[in-house]
Amino acid sequence: GQNIDQPTEMTATEGAIVQINCTYQTSGFNGLFWYQQHAGEAPTFLSYNVLDGLEEKGRFSSFLSRSKGYSYLLLKELQMKDSASYLCAVMDSNYQLIWGAGTKLIIKP
Amino acid sequence: GAVVSQHPSWVICKSGTSVKIECRSLDFQATTMFWYRQFPKQSLMLMATSNEGSKATYEQGVEKDKFLINHASLTLSTLTVTSAHPEDSSFYICSARAPDRGDTGELFFGEGSRLTVL
Repeated sequence: GQNIDQPTEMTATEGAIVQINCTYQTSGFNGLFWYQQHAGEAPTFLSYNVLDGLEEKGRFSSFLSRSKGYSYLLLKELQMKDSASYLCAVMDSNYQLIWGAGTKLIIKP
Repeated sequence: GAVVSQHPSWVICKSGTSVKIECRSLDFQATTMFWYRQFPKQSLMLMATSNEGSKATYEQGVEKDKFLINHASLTLSTLTVTSAHPEDSSFYICSARAPDRGDTGELFFGEGSRLTVL
């Protein structure tokens, strides 16, 4: 079956760095997405990786290793507003998005 | 660009009544829209894929007679929860892909509709 695994919850300190991991097993691969979702709101797009390597976008970076079925989202200089759930999603060979359960990130002062 | 608007944001209804949720693409034409449901502390669950001018494709386990989807135009898809019951209380979100974004597959989400059935 298809499976996306990411930690349920993580805690970090304001100003620090946090890495959220995602491992996946899917039928085919057409890219991996990271979305941010604040409580009670719809997800917002953060990043898209289809080739191996690191994609940097401001304070956020996303890494992909297709051979390992692994990705991580790196958040630097954490701010209180970064407290949210971070969803990992993989597009399979049928271009269907398979969603992880999300990682709730708690930022403490 | 690529704005998706969803209405209503919040709805409370009595058990047995029907509720309609609208999803509009404001600045692009969406031939395909996706309807998701999300229960608290759980991930998004795809309910159905809405195709303009044709019948929606429902995911396994989703009752098509209970969750009616209509995609009558290139900018509007509606989800009607018929004879709603408390177990249907959830966060419903629509999304669409903007055709000018190429093959990235990025989804643009509506604001979501929180349904509470009493």
